[in-house]
Amino acid sequence: DAEITQSPRHKITETGRQVTLACHQTWNHNNMFWYRQDLGHGLRLIHYSYGVQDTNKGEVSDGYSVSRSNTEDLPLTLESAASSQTSVYFCASQEGGPTDTQYFGPGTRLTVL
Amino acid sequence: AQSVAQPEDQVNVAEGNPLTVKCTYSVSGNPYLFWYVQYPNRGLQFLLKYITGDNLVKGSYGFEAEFNKSQTSFHLKKPSALVSDSALYFCAVRDGWNSGNTPLVFGKGTRLSVIA
Repeated sequence: DAEITQSPRHKITETGRQVTLACHQTWNHNNMFWYRQDLGHGLRLIHYSYGVQDTNKGEVSDGYSVSRSNTEDLPLTLESAASSQTSVYFCASQEGGPTDTQYFGPGTRLTVL
Repeated sequence: AQSVAQPEDQVNVAEGNPLTVKCTYSVSGNPYLFWYVQYPNRGLQFLLKYITGDNLVKGSYGFEAEFNKSQTSFHLKKPSALVSDSALYFCAVRDGWNSGNTPLVFGKGTRLSVIA
């Protein structure tokens, strides 16, 4: 079955380190998204992509970057991790049209010490 | 700009009673509305969506939602709550004003607790 996976599921890192979270989908969806979930804030959009070589900033993009070199993957990089980036990160994908449903991965819990 | 509000952080309901989780939205054009559910330590699962047509939308696990354009609302409902419905529920909206593809905007979530 087609699916969307995230790795690692849990990560502990130190302030200042570079961290990359992986997201892989097998639906061949054009659109992919990264969100962070924090208590009291719900889901906030970090970056998104509408296709290969396309990336866009979301609501809370500072300190994060993404690249889209193929359809299946959208890795999220924290250039220099900060304690404020401790959160649960969710990747999502969507086929392509505005009425299409977004499907979410299982999440990565990141702790920055 | 598009936005969505879930006015209740927490909803408590007795098992077997009807439940309602409220959602209101703001968009420039026609709204595309979605409900998702999140169980502990899991990702978000799609429940249902409204694009056009019948104002009452039926979804997974016996849930339904009613689109009300005049009140800009899209409340989630279930006739008889189960303990297993206890979870975090998110409403989301996408603005279809230019038929373009804009990201979903999510509410802050409502925690539903069904008490046996």
